[in-house]
Amino acid sequence: KNEVEQSPQNLTAQEGEFITINCSYSVGISALHWLQQHPGGGIVSLFMLSSGKKKHGRLIATINIQEKHSSLHITASHPRDSAVYICAVRSQGNLIFGKGTKLSVKP
Amino acid sequence: DAGVTQSPTHLIKTRGQQVTLRCSPKSGHDTVSWYQQALGQGPQFIFQYYEEEERQRGNFPDRFSGHQFPNYSSELNVNALLLGDSALYLCASSPTGTGNSPLHFGNGTRLTVT
Repeated sequence: KNEVEQSPQNLTAQEGEFITINCSYSVGISALHWLQQHPGGGIVSLFMLSSGKKKHGRLIATINIQEKHSSLHITASHPRDSAVYICAVRSQGNLIFGKGTKLSVKP
Repeated sequence: DAGVTQSPTHLIKTRGQQVTLRCSPKSGHDTVSWYQQALGQGPQFIFQYYEEEERQRGNFPDRFSGHQFPNYSSELNVNALLLGDSALYLCASSPTGTGNSPLHFGNGTRLTVT
């Protein structure tokens, strides 16, 4: 079993829909990152969390340390949100990545 | 302010050859980490360089080696290439002593081994 699991693996949504991507982990962590990867390959950091909730524009990230679970929400989704979203946790100084959730938002 | 830059963007090599990938960190960053991302998978940690030394290493064979220069730029070398080495190679940089800082990645080098 992977130490970082994401669900769903693939997600197709209509423009305007509310989207949730989930991340569960099985190790102790000092921080959790949500990353966005576009088809060209470059990765952009969206959030770094160690507790609670963060919001940036239409993106919201939450983390529940006790349940070892984090969610990334996208409100009013747009085709430009189409990308792979990756959850990564920092554990004992190392970064462990999930396999990513491929999001496709249709107009 | 330039972010993390990697070169080349794409590379095609033949099995058994050797390859060198390059990374320049974001201005003000002195630590460089390398990751391998196979198609459909999340990145896997290869190694990290700080003060021109390898500080941490993931589960990769000795065919994978690296170097960091005094200007903090870094190279990843892979010898005796295998078909399975085909992947996107990502470089990330960070400043010293900020284990929990936002991540800064380059756009990656896509290596194809034929």
